[in-house]
Amino acid sequence: SQELEQSPQSLIVQEGKNLTINCTSSKTLYGLYWYKQKYGEGLIFLMMLQKGGEEKSHEKITAKLDEKKQQSSLHITASQPSHAGIYLCGAESNTNAGKSTFGDGTTLTVKP
Amino acid sequence: GAVVSQHPSRVICKSGTSVKIECRSLDFQATTMFWYRQFPKQSLMLMATSNEGSKATYEQGVEKDKFLINHASLTLSTLTVTSAHPEDSSFYICSAIAGADGYTFGSGTRLTVV
Repeated sequence: SQELEQSPQSLIVQEGKNLTINCTSSKTLYGLYWYKQKYGEGLIFLMMLQKGGEEKSHEKITAKLDEKKQQSSLHITASQPSHAGIYLCGAESNTNAGKSTFGDGTTLTVKP
Repeated sequence: GAVVSQHPSRVICKSGTSVKIECRSLDFQATTMFWYRQFPKQSLMLMATSNEGSKATYEQGVEKDKFLINHASLTLSTLTVTSAHPEDSSFYICSAIAGADGYTFGSGTRLTVV
């Protein structure tokens, strides 16, 4: 099965600081997704990466997928309190297309 | 974008009763939906894949008779927790593949069994 390791488990940053969250897979990724969640609520889709070396940005959030398609990073620039929440990476392997597995999540706290 | 509506958002039931959770795709057809369970401070765990017009595919360790899944139409999948017990208390989320939008998730259902 696809296993995703996400780090760090939790992160506390001062408002305005940059931060990075990593997601590493034991297998080659077919598709890598980043989500934001507040516990007890649904997931908000952030970005999807499929190609090796791909990079996407949305507002102050940038996600990258490495060339080998086994590691992704999510970078937030000039963090704000609105960025606080749980960030989850999700992935599907090409042998189980359509079925996602998820990392354990990173809880981000942004101090004003 | 594509929207998946999940209902109810919260439910409290007595031990031994059954609870039904609905997941609807509002503006697209979903031949496949996925049901997840999430414990506090843990990630999502896939429970089953719901296929329209056929039997659901359950992940290893998930009891088919306890978590009944029905996907009778292209826009509706239901998860019924039968004879619920306190250990079934959890957060349940459904999702569907919405074409180019990728996965779309419902807002989740918090089930508390007392």
